[in-house]
Amino acid sequence: SAVISQKPSRDICQRGTSLTIQCQVDSQVTMMFWYRQQPGQSLTLIATANQGSEATYESGFVIDKFPISRPNLTFSTLTVSNMSPEDSSIYLCSAQNTVEAFFGQGTRLTVV
Amino acid sequence: GENVGLHLPTLSVQEGDNSIINCAYSNSASDYFIWYKQESGKGPQFIIDIRSNMDKRQGQRVTVLLNKTVKHLSLQIAATQPGDSAVYFCAEGTGGGSYIPTFGRGTSLIVHP
Repeated sequence: SAVISQKPSRDICQRGTSLTIQCQVDSQVTMMFWYRQQPGQSLTLIATANQGSEATYESGFVIDKFPISRPNLTFSTLTVSNMSPEDSSIYLCSAQNTVEAFFGQGTRLTVV
Repeated sequence: GENVGLHLPTLSVQEGDNSIINCAYSNSASDYFIWYKQESGKGPQFIIDIRSNMDKRQGQRVTVLLNKTVKHLSLQIAATQPGDSAVYFCAEGTGGGSYIPTFGRGTSLIVHP
């Protein structure tokens, strides 16, 4: 198993600013992912965080808006850039080696 | 496109009853399926998975059934408890080393004491 610490747990941000979310795993993992979850809805994959290289983004998500870093096998960051109220959501980090994914508790972002 | 969806958005049961949460999928290439439980304010938590070469798998108080003929997946929870109240997601994946899950819509399970 893996324990994932994600921070901040929540934030209220002004539009036009950027927020960086950190994800720390207590053990080395092969795969790390970032998801977005609107309240009451399912999880949408933003990107796969690749260690030492550029992230792989899903359709509808771009690097300029959601830059991602993964400097090693236990840590990743997601930045939400130039935020607008439409970016208000829960952002989740996950880590997995095989089928089972482990999730952080999420970052609840409100953009005002 | 391919997607995973759920029949019932909300399921209310009495404590002690058995619960059945259903999921339909459309990607015939999926070779594994997973159920996750998400409690309020937390990230999803793995419950159980099943490979496409199986039709039933049991865990502690939970059973997952897979019907590939009709592309249907279900999660059965025996003797449901108030602590089982959460949103349940099914997810599918095609493996091949990537194991990236695609999540379905989710069902909210409400257990009444």
